[in-house]
Amino acid sequence: DSGVTQTPKHLITATGQRVTLRCSPRSGDLSVYWYQQSLDQGLQFLIQYYNGEERAKGNILERFSAQQFPDLHSELNLSSLELGDSALYFCASSVVGNGNTIYFGEGSWLTVV
Amino acid sequence: AQTVTQSQPEMSVQEAETVTLSCTYDTSENNYYLFWYKQPPSRQMILVIRQEAYKQQNATENRFSVNFQKAAKSFSLKISDSQLGDTAMYFCAFMKHPVAAGNKLTFGGGTRVLVKP
Repeated sequence: DSGVTQTPKHLITATGQRVTLRCSPRSGDLSVYWYQQSLDQGLQFLIQYYNGEERAKGNILERFSAQQFPDLHSELNLSSLELGDSALYFCASSVVGNGNTIYFGEGSWLTVV
Repeated sequence: AQTVTQSQPEMSVQEAETVTLSCTYDTSENNYYLFWYKQPPSRQMILVIRQEAYKQQNATENRFSVNFQKAAKSFSLKISDSQLGDTAMYFCAFMKHPVAAGNKLTFGGGTRVLVKP
């Protein structure tokens, strides 16, 4: 158990819909990262938050947005969903000084039908 | 921008034998971290081993060890005494240092390892 909690674990939704994925980082971790892993692709970095502020942005679509709340949990919002958005979405967290290691949650499986 | 390359898409090894996975990276940074993550069929991402670039000594975690060649920008993973539970996808990853807000992991494309009984 990495200590990073993601909900829901599985989600099936229709095209055009909107979903929210939630992440609780490890206790004490200020950084939260979101990654996308499609079936035939590697891990794509989406976005990072540090103590509530956006700090790095990767290949995140405009239809996607995220935020980190004062209690440090984070949400990834995916809207106007397309079939190609079906993927495993990972949340990860880290704290500066802990060997700079990023720990991953178990992921949220999103299937768009 | 940093890039990470894993040139072996798939490898197989007999149980109890040794397998070595290759990873090369490209960066202009002098201080950074390198990682190997394991992703078993459950798809969970599990940290296997970590190496700080400023350390010349190669990291070791039980049956897992790395060969870090900074000048060559190479970071290979050796799995000794392979076990059936080692069957997984293995990802090499790079992170700039110091890790502050704004740094992230850059992953290679992965190497699928199959351990045969």
